[in-house]
Amino acid sequence: AQSVTQLDSQVPVFEEAPVELRCNYSSSVSVYLFWYVQYPNQGLQLLLKYLSGSTLVESINGFEAEFNKSQTSFHLRKPSVHISDTAEYFCAVTGNPSGAGSYQLTFGKGTKLSVIP
Amino acid sequence: NAGVTQTPKFQVLKTGQSMTLQCAQDMNHNSMYWYRQDPGMGLRLIYYSASEGTTDKGEVPNGYNVSRLNKREFSLRLESAAPSQTSVYFCASSEELSGTGAYEQYFGPGTRLTVT
Repeated sequence: AQSVTQLDSQVPVFEEAPVELRCNYSSSVSVYLFWYVQYPNQGLQLLLKYLSGSTLVESINGFEAEFNKSQTSFHLRKPSVHISDTAEYFCAVTGNPSGAGSYQLTFGKGTKLSVIP
Repeated sequence: NAGVTQTPKFQVLKTGQSMTLQCAQDMNHNSMYWYRQDPGMGLRLIYYSASEGTTDKGEVPNGYNVSRLNKREFSLRLESAAPSQTSVYFCASSEELSGTGAYEQYFGPGTRLTVT
């Protein structure tokens, strides 16, 4: 079984300050990792994903996440946040790509990022 | 290309009433999913359909039924609504990321359901 822990339910940060949203996962098999973003009253959108290769992955709007296998983490960072980044962020994991259930995602409970002007 | 669409956007039911939430995708995806989202709980999988003609229970299936009508459509039915089913419901579909064995999910805008 897999699980995802997002350590902070809410993160307030001032505009133009850096932010880190933490995600740890538990899995006995190889994983693929995702960050999704949900803007108010909308559905979830994929922000970035780690499949293989470089452990540092980036999104088009300045977020990055680093896969750390030894610490089983996939923390999301941005060096300078904007008001428009205010949203809820979900970390998700999928399991063994060659086994049953690889198409299922296990989500964390989400972190609400509030950017303060 | 509309992606994943859901109807209705909002619904209020009385306890014991029934309703069907509709979901359709135009991306030719094989897999489709229904989730519910509650404050502080994240997304929890209700049912999924790995391919046309198959459905399986997720984490919280009690009180719900599903139908994979065809490759495009996947509906969720509440036979006898209860206040505990007040939630936001999301439909999603997924495709395999070429050559990886990983599946990226695409979400609809959600249905906000209140049961009184």
